[in-house]
Amino acid sequence: DAMVIQNPRYQVTQFGKPVTLSCSQTLNHNVMYWYQQKSSQAPKLLFHYYDKDFNNEADTPDNFQSRRPNTSFCFLDIRSPGLGDAAMYLCATSTSIRDGAFFGQGTRLTVV
Amino acid sequence: AQSVTQLDSQVPVFEEAPVELRCNYSSSVSVYLFWYVQYPNQGLQLLLKYLSGSTLVESINGFEAEFNKSQTSFHLRKPSVHISDTAEYFCAVTAGASKIIFGSGTRLSIRP
Repeated sequence: DAMVIQNPRYQVTQFGKPVTLSCSQTLNHNVMYWYQQKSSQAPKLLFHYYDKDFNNEADTPDNFQSRRPNTSFCFLDIRSPGLGDAAMYLCATSTSIRDGAFFGQGTRLTVV
Repeated sequence: AQSVTQLDSQVPVFEEAPVELRCNYSSSVSVYLFWYVQYPNQGLQLLLKYLSGSTLVESINGFEAEFNKSQTSFHLRKPSVHISDTAEYFCAVTAGASKIIFGSGTRLSIRP
C-alpha cells in the first residue's frame, strides 16, 4: 500500500545530542512537510519542500534542519535537542493542496 | 495571513447523541478547508474537505461539515456518535499554494 512511513515511532535522545528523524513515502508526492505537535496543541508547520524547493517557516528555530535527498525521503535534524523539543513530529506529503496532506504515524521524541 | 480557531478544546457527549465541533477561519483569500481526525499516538487522517460548490460535505463514516462563507465557519457535525468516534479533531485551512495550517484541536470524548 502506498503510504508515508516514519522511523522510528519512538525516539529517546539526550539533551544536546543531535538526532535525526526520517520519513519516506511511496506516494511519489512532490510536497513533503514536517510538523511539530506538542501535547494538546495544533500541529505546527516547521518547514516544507515543494519538490526540491525548501520553505522554512519564519519561527522555526535554527536548531531544526531538514534534508530531502530525493523525492521519497525527507529527514529532520535537531542539532542540539532541548527539553522543549520533546514532541510528536509528523511527516506529511501532498501532490495537490486540493487533496490536503497525507500523514505518517509520527515519531514521538523524548529528550532526557 | 490565514488562521483557524477551534472554539472548544473538549466536547463530552453521550453515545448516540448528536455532536457539533466548531471551527472558524480567517482569510482574505479563497481557501480550502479540511477536517482531520487523530487517534492516540497516530498521525492525522483526512476526514473531509471543502473545495468549492456545495457547502455541505460528507465523510464515509457519517460526519458532515458545512461551509459558511458569511460566518467564516466550517463546523463538523454528526447526528449520532459512537464510542469509536473518540479522538481529537483538527480543522485546517490552506495558506498559499502548498501550506496547511491547523487549529488547536477539539478532543471528542464519548460516554456510554
